[in-house]
Amino acid sequence: DAGITQSPRYKITETGRQVTLMCHQTWSHSYMFWYRQDLGHGLRLIYYSAAADITDKGEVPDGYVVSRSKTENFPLTLESATRSQTSVYFCASKQGPGNTIYFGEGSWLTVV
Amino acid sequence: DQQVKQNSPSLSVQEGRISILNCDYTNSMFDYFLWYKKYPAEGPTFLISISSIKDKNEDGRFTVFLNKSAKHLSLHIVPSQPGDSAVYFCAANSGGGADGLTFGKGTHLIIQP
Repeated sequence: DAGITQSPRYKITETGRQVTLMCHQTWSHSYMFWYRQDLGHGLRLIYYSAAADITDKGEVPDGYVVSRSKTENFPLTLESATRSQTSVYFCASKQGPGNTIYFGEGSWLTVV
Repeated sequence: DQQVKQNSPSLSVQEGRISILNCDYTNSMFDYFLWYKKYPAEGPTFLISISSIKDKNEDGRFTVFLNKSAKHLSLHIVPSQPGDSAVYFCAANSGGGADGLTFGKGTHLIIQP
């Protein structure tokens, strides 16, 4: 049962570079989410998607772009990475309007 | 404006004793509450949840209590085991949560032998 897989798991990039974090789920879940985890902030929602081709901003969307052309994929792009975007990024999904969200293992991103 | 608050960044409990993790919320629209457990270098995993129509939910060693009037919930772990050492996140949403969960900052639980 693959569930949610994120890639890359670890990435170091330079300020100003474009970076894309991939997320793939095998459950055919309708909803997908991107969170970031930072010390002192817990988990904060960046973007979410209720279905293919439908995306919405979360709490901290600035500097990020998402797309959802296929139900199973939800890539997150940092168009011009900044040091403040150094964080751990978690992709998540859930089947429908229920409440339990399932997380991937995380992508550690360092911007230097 | 933090809608879900976990005021204890860390908690140390002796093995075999009860661990009590607390969470407060400010949004009256929240109607579903969840606890997630997170080990280092892994994603959060769902632990237990409770609907606002209940005041208690139990699953094995884990029990969640909800006090709606106080806007407070707690997670009880009895007995505490070494494998329970992790960061615990309280989370909440409303109306089915199409826009995801709102998380607290987490409490690092340390179980001492």
